[in-house]
Amino acid sequence: DQQVKQNSPSLSVQEGRISILNCDYTNSMFDYFLWYKKYPAEGPTFLISISSIKDKNEDGRFTVFLNKSAKHLSLHIVPSQPGDSAVYFCAASGANTGNQFYFGTGTSLTVIP
Amino acid sequence: DTAVSQTPKYLVTQMGNDKSIKCEQNLGHDTMYWYKQDSKKFLKIMFSYNNKELIINETVPNRFSPKSPDKAHLNLHINSLELGDSAVYFCASSQTGFFSGNTIYFGEGSWLTVV
Repeated sequence: DQQVKQNSPSLSVQEGRISILNCDYTNSMFDYFLWYKKYPAEGPTFLISISSIKDKNEDGRFTVFLNKSAKHLSLHIVPSQPGDSAVYFCAASGANTGNQFYFGTGTSLTVIP
Repeated sequence: DTAVSQTPKYLVTQMGNDKSIKCEQNLGHDTMYWYKQDSKKFLKIMFSYNNKELIINETVPNRFSPKSPDKAHLNLHINSLELGDSAVYFCASSQTGFFSGNTIYFGEGSWLTVV
């Protein structure tokens, strides 16, 4: 049972434009969400997170939006750069999941120069 | 310094063999994990250890046996390897317990190919 879903396996965006990566979850008890970035042959690295008490968190070119009623979050990258080309995973956790982080299947972003 | 390191990075072995993947973290975390990324790219938790004690054991064949000699190490031993075990295995660690701001840190992955 996949509790975190990323329905777009891939996305291509022109350099300088906005990249929007989407993530949906099913467990209403999740209240902490993270985005990870993964380059080929490397492990995922933490990018940005958001707590359910917020609906937006911004860090430089990266902004995460959370819509709790829709159980949906998105990652916006503006402006997109070729170095952003990677696989992006969203993850979720909550007080009732103990130490477990649930991951989506990832979206492969390609930023075209 | 690598925060979470795992070895070997690449491993090709024959069916039926027994192999181990080692993992060490120098972040002072109390919780360590093993995740498996299969051909569908799904990152799925296998095990979680807190202070050397098993706290999460997802539906994983008992051919997979984690061993935690201390809280900085979590090794994964796999007996009687099967073709379907071919995957990337990621070790990870985090602080104990749930709290906003907690982050899970991953190793670089171990690419296991069973032939």
